[in-house]
Amino acid sequence: KAGVTQTPRYLIKTRGQQVTLSCSPISGHRSVSWYQQTPGQGLQFLFEYFSETQRNKGNFPGRFSGRQFSNSRSEMNVSTLELGDSALYLCASSLDRDKPYGYTFGSGTRLTVV
Amino acid sequence: AQSVSQHNHHVILSEAASLELGCNYSYGGTVNLFWYVQYPGQHLQLLLKYFSGDPLVKGIKGFEAEFIKSKFSFNLRKPSVQWSDTAEYFCAVTGSGAFYGGSQGNLIFGKGTKLSVKP
Repeated sequence: KAGVTQTPRYLIKTRGQQVTLSCSPISGHRSVSWYQQTPGQGLQFLFEYFSETQRNKGNFPGRFSGRQFSNSRSEMNVSTLELGDSALYLCASSLDRDKPYGYTFGSGTRLTVV
Repeated sequence: AQSVSQHNHHVILSEAASLELGCNYSYGGTVNLFWYVQYPGQHLQLLLKYFSGDPLVKGIKGFEAEFIKSKFSFNLRKPSVQWSDTAEYFCAVTGSGAFYGGSQGNLIFGKGTKLSVKP
């Protein structure tokens, strides 16, 4: 079956712009999480959605937001981009949040802010 | 706050050498433990996971890890590495049970260990 699909793979944006990233989870997976990966900070949790509700949020400013649709697809949005937002953004899906099934990751979206 | 420590930033080994990567976590409750691998230019892939039961867990590609609850550790091992094992390895933990209202919680990652295997 298809894995976690993230689009686009690469993005270049200018400071001050906003960006929307998309994630399609594995079919049947209802939990979608987002992570930011940078060389300095490593992998950091952004937020998690389950059944269209944000269930958990990491320590990121309000410029970072997300949502989940009824088909479990998720989007994350970053407004007023800063140079420090340049990172690999990873989406992970899980079958069911209430049991420890673990997470499957997508290939990520590489965002460069210039 | 929970944290995960990976002791080695960069490990360099020759082919056929044995590997052990350290991982310690700071959380006293029930945990789920993972090792992920990221090959150059590729996405994170699950190597192995521990949820409960036998503390010695076997994963893909000959990797195994041992959960030692008293030491809050989940070290990754492989008896004989190959050049193709060159990658970055991440230890991660989720809490479970009452702390997260019964759910599995989000992954907390260590900073990663880069493994370079010389042919």
